[in-house]
Amino acid sequence: ETGVTQSPTHLIKTRGQQVTLRCSSQSGHNTVSWYQQALGQGPQFIFQYYREEENGRGNFPPRFSGLQFPNYSSELNVNALELDDSALYLCASSYNPVMNTEAFFGQGTRLTVV
Amino acid sequence: AQSVTQLDSQVPVFEEAPVELRCNYSSSVSVYLFWYVQYPNQGLQLLLKYLSGSTLVKGINGFEAEFNKSQTSFHLRKPSVHISDTAEYFCAVSGTYNFNKFYFGSGTKLNVKP
Repeated sequence: ETGVTQSPTHLIKTRGQQVTLRCSSQSGHNTVSWYQQALGQGPQFIFQYYREEENGRGNFPPRFSGLQFPNYSSELNVNALELDDSALYLCASSYNPVMNTEAFFGQGTRLTVV
Repeated sequence: AQSVTQLDSQVPVFEEAPVELRCNYSSSVSVYLFWYVQYPNQGLQLLLKYLSGSTLVKGINGFEAEFNKSQTSFHLRKPSVHISDTAEYFCAVSGTYNFNKFYFGSGTKLNVKP
């Protein structure tokens, strides 16, 4: 067990709705990265937050947004849900984005959009 | 930009046989290389990583990988697999300037048969 917890573990949403996913980082970590893993594919980088600021973004539209709190936990928000947003969403926490430290992954949130 | 190609989507192998999972990468900058394992309904666990130094890297559970810069490869090997190694394996890269922002391959499902 890594100490990175994600909630909820599963949820079902309707197309057009909005969703918020949560990630509690491992104690002592100040960086959280989010990934989308569609069925049968590898995880794709969405964005990273370091000390409450966005620190890089992958090729995802603006309706994917995030937030990092002073305690370094993080939220991923997705607006105007589409069927293709159905996926496993993973977060990973690490100590510092430029140091040689391991990133620890949570078990993910499985989002189904119907 | 970086990209990763995992050449085999599925690899069946008998227990106690050797296995090699292939990974090739493409990048215009220096990279770090990783192998992660994902068991069903779980997040990602780090097997091993190459940052610098010796090109032969040893990881957990008896796995090892060799970095070959000229062939841009980072193949994963294990001399004798166990049933418990059945899982999906992901190769990933990150730029040395943006550590812990991973670009993953599409994964290889290792199926160990008795």
